Amino acid sequence: KNEVEQSPQNLTAQEGEFITINCSYSVGISALHWLQQHPGGGIVSLFMLSSGKKKHGRLIATINIQEKHSSLHITASHPRDSAVYICAVRPGNQFYFGTGTSLTVIP
Amino acid sequence: DTAVSQTPKYLVTQMGNDKSIKCEQNLGHDTMYWYKQDSKKFLKIMFSYNNKELIINETVPNRFSPKSPDKAHLNLHINSLELGDSAVYFCASSHPGHHTYEQYFGPGTRLTVT
Repeated sequence: KNEVEQSPQNLTAQEGEFITINCSYSVGISALHWLQQHPGGGIVSLFMLSSGKKKHGRLIATINIQEKHSSLHITASHPRDSAVYICAVRPGNQFYFGTGTSLTVIP
Repeated sequence: DTAVSQTPKYLVTQMGNDKSIKCEQNLGHDTMYWYKQDSKKFLKIMFSYNNKELIINETVPNRFSPKSPDKAHLNLHINSLELGDSAVYFCASSHPGHHTYEQYFGPGTRLTVT
């Protein structure tokens, strides 16, 4: 069983929709990362969270340490948001990754 | 200016060969990482170096060895390549501070072993 579970695995949305991607983990962590992998393969770090909530543009990430759960929200989704979103957790010096959520935003 | 660069971008080689992938970062970061992404797009950390010390070493075969000549470079050497080593390898760097582990990724190196 993977230490990090993401849902959904695949998501298709219409442009403008509000999107939520969920991440649950089973280990104690010092930080949680949300990564974005573009269709061309490049990986960008979106957020690093250890508590609470962070916002960057149309992206919002939240984490509930007690429930071992994080969500990534995208407001007013756009086709350029189409990518794979990966959750990763850091217990100490280890890293565990989710299998990713593939998002397609249709114009 | 490229923050984290990797060379080569593509590498095709035969089983049994020895190859290296180079990584350089110009961000002044203290820690560098190597990740492997398999054909199912699953990412797994392989190594990280902090000030020339190995601080993470996942259970990867000892055919893989990281080499860090200085803080700005972390190269990955692979001996006796096997078919299962075919993957995309990503280098990344970060500057650990108080609760700060933002990572910057290189563009990846697609390794194909035939």
